[in-house]
Amino acid sequence: DVKVTQSSRYLVKRTGEKVFLECVQDMDHENMFWYRQDPGLGLRLIYFSYDVKMKEKGDIPEGYSVSREKKERFSLILESASTNQTSMYLCATFGGSSYEQYFGPGTRLTVT
Amino acid sequence: GNSVTQMEGPVTLSEEAFLTINCTYTATGYPSLFWYVQYPGEGLQLLLKATKADDKGSNKGFEATYRKETTSFHLEKGSVQVSDSAVYFCALRNPTQGGSEKLVFGKGTKLTVNP
Repeated sequence: DVKVTQSSRYLVKRTGEKVFLECVQDMDHENMFWYRQDPGLGLRLIYFSYDVKMKEKGDIPEGYSVSREKKERFSLILESASTNQTSMYLCATFGGSSYEQYFGPGTRLTVT
Repeated sequence: GNSVTQMEGPVTLSEEAFLTINCTYTATGYPSLFWYVQYPGEGLQLLLKATKADDKGSNKGFEATYRKETTSFHLEKGSVQVSDSAVYFCALRNPTQGGSEKLVFGKGTKLTVNP
């Protein structure tokens, strides 16, 4: 079974803090994604990576950056957290023969 | 561009009722279509998929048929259970365009099934 883990289920940070959200997968997938999920807006793509050190902006990259130094790990960075970044963050991977995206359990981030 | 529109919720049903969640899409070419489900407190998991016109995806009693003529992929289940309470997302992937691994999601429909 594919396993996608995220470093925290719940996180509370203060405005202006630098925040790291970590995602690790064990299936050797090339593609990894970060989404945020908000009520009434569904899932919106922040960034994705199709290989180590390769990244592309998604639909809402402003205020975020990413890092992919190793194939299994994809980090989302909030350089200076703001209250409008309070959200559920979901990591996903893509690969294999089934061509589906596999999701982690999510990190609910609250910025106060 | 690519987009997915699904019926807004929330949807509340009694156990054993019939479920339909509508989903329509806009895309050029021949997208693949998906339904994902998110149970409370969890990430999303694939429920079913269809990769070409007239394909029917099915899983756990849920079905959806890829209708190119109406650009639709409606989710149905004949008899829902309390355990089906979740948020359901319709999504598409368009391999004819660059970044083909990306999914475009609808906004989600929350289903609550009462005993």
